[in-house]
Amino acid sequence: GAVVSQHPSRVICKSGTSVKIECRSLDFQATTMFWYRQFPKKSLMLMATSNEGSKATYEQGVEKDKFLINHASLTLSTLTVTSAHPEDSSFYICSARDGAGIYEQYFGPGTRLTVT
Amino acid sequence: EDQVTQSPEALRLQEGESSSLNCSYTVSGLRGLFWYRQDPGKGPEFLFTLYSAGEEKEKERLKATLTKKESFLHITAPKPEDSATYLCAVGAGGSARQLTFGSGTQLTVLP
Repeated sequence: GAVVSQHPSRVICKSGTSVKIECRSLDFQATTMFWYRQFPKKSLMLMATSNEGSKATYEQGVEKDKFLINHASLTLSTLTVTSAHPEDSSFYICSARDGAGIYEQYFGPGTRLTVT
Repeated sequence: EDQVTQSPEALRLQEGESSSLNCSYTVSGLRGLFWYRQDPGKGPEFLFTLYSAGEEKEKERLKATLTKKESFLHITAPKPEDSATYLCAVGAGGSARQLTFGSGTQLTVLP
C-alpha cells in the first residue's frame, strides 16, 4: 500500500515553455500533498504544501506564480512550472500523506526536469 | 526552529562490516522521527517511524533506535544492495504536519 506515482519521470523543455507534473496517490486518499525540489547531492527542499480543494501554501522564497500547484482531488496534485528557465532544471518530488493525524509521507519516484 | 543533523555525510563499508548512522534533532514537540532510503534518481522510500524515546524498529539488516536527542540507524552485516542515501526527518506540531529533513548519509557498501 501507500503508492505514489509521478508523471512524467523525465521531461526536457525549451526555455519559456511551461511544464506540468502530475502526482497521484494510487491506493489511498491523500489529504495533503507536498512538493519538493532536490539539487544534486542535496537534501529535499520543501516548496509547497497543498490540501485538496484549497490553495497551496508556499515556502518562503518559492514563487507561487512560477510554480502553480493544483490539488483538484484526493488522489491528484499537479505542479506546473511556468515560463521555465534553465535554472529551474532540477529533480522534483511529490509526497502524500493519508489522514489528518498522520505524519508519514510517501514519496513519488520524482521527475527530472531539464530546461534547455 | 526545528533542526536535523545527520552524520557522517558519507560512509564506506566493506560488505559485512556493521555500523551506525546518526541523526541528531532539535524540535519542540516531536511527533515522529522518520527514516527514509533514497536511491540515485528516485524518490525516498519510507523505512521507519519512531515516536518515543526507547522505541526500536527493525527491518531486515536495519534497526532504528530513538533517544530524546538523537536516532541511530544500525546496519548489521550490510550488503552492496544497501548502498543508498539514508535520510532522517522529524515531524513537529503544526496543522500542515510537515517534515524537516536532514541532509542525509550516503552509504556505500563495497563487495
